Amino acid sequence: AQSVAQPEDQVNVAEGNPLTVKCTYSVSGNPYLFWYVQYPNRGLQFLLKYITGDNLVKGSYGFEAEFNKSQTSFHLKKPSALVSDSALYFCAVRDAGAQKLVFGQGTRLTINP
Amino acid sequence: DTEVTQTPKHLVMGMTNKKSLKCEQHMGHRAMYWYKQKAKKPPELMFVYSYEKLSINESVPSRFSPECPNSSLLNLHLHALQPEDSALYLCASSQDPANTDTQYFGPGTRLTVL
Repeated sequence: AQSVAQPEDQVNVAEGNPLTVKCTYSVSGNPYLFWYVQYPNRGLQFLLKYITGDNLVKGSYGFEAEFNKSQTSFHLKKPSALVSDSALYFCAVRDAGAQKLVFGQGTRLTINP
Repeated sequence: DTEVTQTPKHLVMGMTNKKSLKCEQHMGHRAMYWYKQKAKKPPELMFVYSYEKLSINESVPSRFSPECPNSSLLNLHLHALQPEDSALYLCASSQDPANTDTQYFGPGTRLTVL
């Protein structure tokens, strides 16, 4: 069975500082990994995904994520945080061949001015 | 264009009402999904339609009835709901359900059951 863990419910970062939102996963086969962001009362917006290839994936709004197979992690990063990055972030995993996308519990990111 | 639209944005219904949620995409995607999301929680998968056929039902109560009239449209028919069914209902679509494609989400319908 596939599963995702986001160990931090809340992350607070000062504006302009780098940010990291952590995600670890468990799958039986090759993982397909995704990050989504959700603003209040809105749907989920796709940020980036890892399927294969380069371990560093670049996505929307300056975000990137690093796939680490040995640590089964897929942490989301941004070099310089903006107040507008404040939102709820979800990591998700999909096992190869599976239709179901499994989400982590979410991390509330707050960027302080 | 990666737009999935959902109507209505908000819906308030009594426990004896019958209502429907609508989802539409014009990206040529062949997989469509219904999710339920409670406040501050991750989305929970309810149904998956693959090439207009129901392929996954995550043991959802029969008071929720999905329908996929064509490849662009997905409905969720609601009947005799309970207050605990109040949530944000999200629709999503992807190019092909069997591979690595990204699921794109609509803005959701905020449902309140009185």
